[in-house]
Amino acid sequence: LAKTTQPISMDSYEGQEVNITCSHNNIATNDYITWYQQFPSQGPRFIIQGYKTKVTNEVASLFIPADRKSSTLSLPRVSLSDTAVYYCLVGDDANSGGYQKVTFGTGTKLQVIP
Amino acid sequence: DVKVTQSSRYLVKRTGEKVFLECVQDMDHENMFWYRQDPGLGLRLIYFSYDVKMKEKGDIPEGYSVSREKKERFSLILESASTNQTSMYLCASSTGVGYTFGSGTRLTVV
Repeated sequence: LAKTTQPISMDSYEGQEVNITCSHNNIATNDYITWYQQFPSQGPRFIIQGYKTKVTNEVASLFIPADRKSSTLSLPRVSLSDTAVYYCLVGDDANSGGYQKVTFGTGTKLQVIP
Repeated sequence: DVKVTQSSRYLVKRTGEKVFLECVQDMDHENMFWYRQDPGLGLRLIYFSYDVKMKEKGDIPEGYSVSREKKERFSLILESASTNQTSMYLCASSTGVGYTFGSGTRLTVV
């Protein structure tokens, strides 16, 4: 299973764009990259998933270089409500016909400052 | 939307008690998971199940067991609760794109 490394914490001012980078040097061919957001006393919530290049949804963008050894979650114009822990996960798609023991790291604690 | 429901939001149990944590998902998902979350340690996988009556150990299965008699229900069992099992417990169900988590059960063992 690919291990991920991401910063422990980040601070940002409201209205700024925030980029959180995750390293996953041992990513396998079948692995997808998925990001989750977790607020205190809640379960993690799916944000975005990608395999290569760039993926964008209404919440965030995910940039994946050609070698796929890292990925960057981009949150445009953050607000105070974006203060949360963000997890980067790498693993086989959960519905690929098999199963996968996916490991969460400790995540990146993002603090948005007024 | 997929919904994962954990039966209790908060639980307080005594050392040595047998504790059942229940999780139900309302979609037809094969895969279900139990994690515990502790400060500074992130989420750690206890057990997971990819089919009815099937189970696999995660990273920290000691002191726990699970039951999956029906596809929608995945139970975590603490055979004899101990204080080091005080934690936030999170159940998840897998979709075609990522996992859906429940709101968690905060268990305190006294």
